[in-house]
Amino acid sequence: GESVGLHLPTLSVQEGDNSIINCAYSNSASDYFIWYKQESGKGPQFIIDIRSNMDKRQGQRVTVLLNKTVKHLSLQIAATQPGDSAVYFCAENNGPGGTSYGKLTFGQGTILTVHP
Amino acid sequence: DGGITQSPKYLFRKEGQNVTLSCEQNLNHDAMYWYRQDPGQGLRLIYYSQIVNDFQKGDIAEGYSVSREKKESFPLTVTSAQKNPTAFYLCASSNVQHNKNIQYFGAGTRLSVL
Repeated sequence: GESVGLHLPTLSVQEGDNSIINCAYSNSASDYFIWYKQESGKGPQFIIDIRSNMDKRQGQRVTVLLNKTVKHLSLQIAATQPGDSAVYFCAENNGPGGTSYGKLTFGQGTILTVHP
Repeated sequence: DGGITQSPKYLFRKEGQNVTLSCEQNLNHDAMYWYRQDPGQGLRLIYYSQIVNDFQKGDIAEGYSVSREKKESFPLTVTSAQKNPTAFYLCASSNVQHNKNIQYFGAGTRLSVL
């Protein structure tokens, strides 16, 4: 079936480095993508989103890149800080007209660990 | 956690018992969702509701039930038919506007079996 997956389940970086978290998706009808951050014992927190008609979107210290040709999504975090340590999930929203409209499909998640 | 409140934070269930998890939102969102999260895994959709008095099964609805009598409330009952209920349960809400479906999450309820 359709799924959202991650290439790397864990990522360890040094404080101040840039981090790149990757995500592959398989549903070509997905029109909208979101990155969430989940700290231990808490609910996921919205970070940044991107529509399928864009290939790049920037926020504060974060950038999301979308490559529809290879169905790949990435989250770049600049100058990673210890407070960025968490699990990061990508999620896709299926396009209008499908039975899954309004639902998000979440990937497995990547654990980011930032060492001081 | 925004305007979504889940309670209790921790819950214990005895064998054969039904338990109800509470989810309340004051964001005036139309849609609400329940997810289950197992250790080291992503979120799996249990039930969702896009409008009051209506709800649909998600991917793993068996052993669970919900109601949506009020816009701000979407309680989840874990029934005795759910044989493996130990998990972290997350409630979310959203307004699907302009093809955007940003879901905002509560802090979660951790359910364990005694």
